[in-house]
Formats: sequence, structure tokens, C-alpha cells
Amino acid sequence: EADIYQTPRYLVIGTGKKITLECSQTMGHDKMYWYQQDPGMELHLIHYSYGVNSTEKGDLSSESTVSRIRTEHFPLTLESARPSHTSQYLCASSRGATQYFGPGTRLTVL
Amino acid sequence: GQNIDQPTEMTATEGAIVQINCTYQTSGFNGLFWYQQHAGEAPTFLSYNVLDGLEEKGRFSSFLSRSKGYSYLLLKELQMKDSASYLCAVEAPAAGNKLTFGGGTRVLVKP
Repeated sequence: EADIYQTPRYLVIGTGKKITLECSQTMGHDKMYWYQQDPGMELHLIHYSYGVNSTEKGDLSSESTVSRIRTEHFPLTLESARPSHTSQYLCASSRGATQYFGPGTRLTVL
Repeated sequence: GQNIDQPTEMTATEGAIVQINCTYQTSGFNGLFWYQQHAGEAPTFLSYNVLDGLEEKGRFSSFLSRSKGYSYLLLKELQMKDSASYLCAVEAPAAGNKLTFGGGTRVLVKP
């Protein structure tokens, strides 16, 4: 069982607000990932990190930013939320190839 | 680029067997994953195939043929709780050893 946490689980927010989605894991995994998934659609990688102070953009362009100051923590920030950002955001971590997912944050921007 | 194909939807009866196919074209190949995802929830790891052949894990089995770029997930003795999406994902060097996910196959188990 993987120990990876995301907060908040649900967030409804107005356009233009700055938000930070939190992701933490207690397994000491070096690699962490952020995916975006619309209902019934495929997962798209938006950011990943292979260790502290290392972050890269994923395959899907995103207006969000990430930071990796501590191994266990990989927050995602949207400076100015828009309705097009409405989606589910899933965080994952891995040591080897197998990725373990957090419960996700469902974001709705009005 | 990486291309992964799997059927969009499948329907089966409780107690039956369902086989979910996945074909892939990738630049290099390290391994193939299957994940289960219930509606509104996060994906959970089911299996990881690196070598050709069948891996059995309880009611679920996963098969890989690297030469054919083909895998399947076999679900036996279907239960209602198996209704979910099943995601095929490939790990490839050309993608920086990250996972590339297919669109998922939604399996509906009927009584």
C-alpha cells in the first residue's frame, strides 16, 4: 500500500485565484509526477521531478508550476485559475518503474 | 512518439472472463504496466511485464509479446467490483523512462 497524499481532495474556486495543490509521500521516493485527467479521458503528464531541485515539464503543456524543495513534497501551483483548468489532478511517486498514485484533487474553476 | 491503443469499452457478465488487449508502438521498450481505475478514483497498480509471457496474480493475468508490441490483461471470474477502467502504460527510454498511458478500457460487469 502506497503512502501518498493529496490535499485538498475537492476545490471549487473563482477565476483569477491563485491555488496550490499539495502532494506528499512518505516512502522516500525520488521520482514524483503530476498528471491531469478529464472524466473518462486519458492521463496526461504535466510535470515530473527526479529529485530535489529537479523539475521538468511533461508531455501536456500546462500553465501550472511545480517545486521540489524536499523529497517528500511536490506542490503544484496555478497563479491565476481559469475555467479551462477544471480537471482532476493526480500526483504519483516511484522509486523504480512502478508509479503509485495519490487520491487526486478534483478542481473546478468557476 | 509513443502510441498505445486499447478498446474504449467492453461489457461482460458476472463470473465470466474478459480479455483487454493493448497494442503499442514505441521507441524502445522497458516494460508494460496495467492499472485499474474506478470512476472518480486514482489508478492502482495491477501488473508489470518486462519479459515475454504470462504473469498470473490471482484472478488477474497479464501477457506480453515484445516482438508483436502486444499485451493483454485477463480478468477471470468477474465480479461486480471489477467494473472500472483498465489502463495500459508503457515505459520507454525515448520518453525518458516515464510512463505513457493509453486511453483506458472501461469494463462494465453486468449481473
